[in-house]
Amino acid sequence: GAVVSQHPSWVICKSGTSVKIECRSLDFQATTMFWYRQFPKQSLMLMATSNEGSKATYEQGVEKDKFLINHASLTLSTLTVTSAHPEDSSFYICSATPGTSGRGGTDTQYFGPGTRLTVL
Amino acid sequence: QKEVEQDPGPLSVPEGAIVSLNCTYSNSAFQYFMWYRQYSRKGPELLMYTYSSGNKEDGRFTAQVDKSSKYISLFIRDSQPSDSATYLCAMTTGGGNKLTFGTGTQLKVEL
Repeated sequence: GAVVSQHPSWVICKSGTSVKIECRSLDFQATTMFWYRQFPKQSLMLMATSNEGSKATYEQGVEKDKFLINHASLTLSTLTVTSAHPEDSSFYICSATPGTSGRGGTDTQYFGPGTRLTVL
Repeated sequence: QKEVEQDPGPLSVPEGAIVSLNCTYSNSAFQYFMWYRQYSRKGPELLMYTYSSGNKEDGRFTAQVDKSSKYISLFIRDSQPSDSATYLCAMTTGGGNKLTFGTGTQLKVEL
C-alpha cells in the first residue's frame, strides 16, 4: 500500500520549453502532496506543499510563477517547470500523505520514484 | 546550526556487520520520526516510523528515539550488500507540518 507514481521518470528538453511532471497516489487519497528537488549527493529540498483544491504554498526562494503546481484531485498533483533553463536540471521528487494511519502515521510522506529533468 | 544533523559518511562496513546510523536535532517540538532509504536515482522509501522514545523493531531494522537527548538512531543487523544506499532521517512536529530531513548518510556494505 501507499504507492506513489511519477511520470515521466526522465525528460530531456530544450531551453525555453515547459515541462509537466505528474504525481499520482495509486492506492490512497492524498490530502497533501509535496514537491522536492534534489541535487546530486544532497538531501531533498522542499519546494512547495499543495492541498487538493487550494493554492500551493511555496518555500522561500522558490519562484511560484516558474514552478506551477496544480493539485486537481486527491490522487493527482502536477508540477510544471515553465521556460526551463539548464540550471533547472535536477531530480524532482513528489511525496504524498494519506492523512490516515497506516504503516506510518498521518504525517508520513510516501515518495514517488522521482523525475530526472535535463534541460539542454 | 541546522535543525537536524546527520553525518553524510560515506560509511563502509563488511557484510554481516551491525550498522548504526544517527541523527541529532535541536527542535524539541519534533514528535514524529522517520527513516527513509534512498537508492541512487530513486525516490526515498519509508523504512521506519516512530513517535515515542524507545525502540521499535522491524525485521533487521531497529529505530531508537531518545527525546531527552534529541537523538535518534537506526540499527541494521546482518547488513547485506543490498542495504547499500543513502539513509535519511526525517522528523516533523506533527499536524500535517512539513518534514525536516537530515542530509543523509551514504552506506556501503561490502562483500
